[in-house]
Amino acid sequence: DVKVTQSSRYLVKRTGEKVFLECVQDMDHENMFWYRQDPGLGLRLIYFSYDVKMKEKGDIPEGYSVSREKKERFSLILESASTNQTSMYLCASSPRQISGANVLTFGAGSRLTVL
Amino acid sequence: GQNIDQPTEMTATEGAIVQINCTYQTSGFNGLFWYQQHAGEAPTFLSYNVLDGLEEKGRFSSFLSRSKGYSYLLLKELQMKDSASYLCAVMDSNYQLIWGAGTKLIIKP
Repeated sequence: DVKVTQSSRYLVKRTGEKVFLECVQDMDHENMFWYRQDPGLGLRLIYFSYDVKMKEKGDIPEGYSVSREKKERFSLILESASTNQTSMYLCASSPRQISGANVLTFGAGSRLTVL
Repeated sequence: GQNIDQPTEMTATEGAIVQINCTYQTSGFNGLFWYQQHAGEAPTFLSYNVLDGLEEKGRFSSFLSRSKGYSYLLLKELQMKDSASYLCAVMDSNYQLIWGAGTKLIIKP
């Protein structure tokens, strides 16, 4: 019954490494999102995508990039991981127009630790 | 700036009622969402309010007052499984979601 799948639940990387976080949804949703979740802070939007090959910066895009080559897959890339990118990363998807009937569905999260 | 405020943590007793408040200041309003997130799990959708008033869904109800920039989530007949974080999010005039930091609810027997 899993609808948004994040490939890695836990990752430990070294400073300077390139990190790929993968997200796949099976609901044919147009929108996909990457958030980070840190204690005491609300979900912060990193990037989102409204369509294949389309991407938009969110509130905190610095140090991140994304790729959406297929509708169901949205990848988050950390080109050179830093310790301040240690966080929980949540992927979500939704139909194009978000409403009470068309809500965000989240993956279980990827907890990244950068040493 | 845009801001969503929720209490950081609340404690309640099994079988009781608890109200989790959310106040917001956003540029425009296109709906308010409540999500539940158990530790280590994905947030899951609970409720949506776009008009003033109370929406009831079983043991959970959500209230909205747009003039006051205020919402609450009411949980009745609390069960141990209700121990979780509750996230409030507002959709602003650009249809972007602004998220609160979440309220951690602890249920005691």
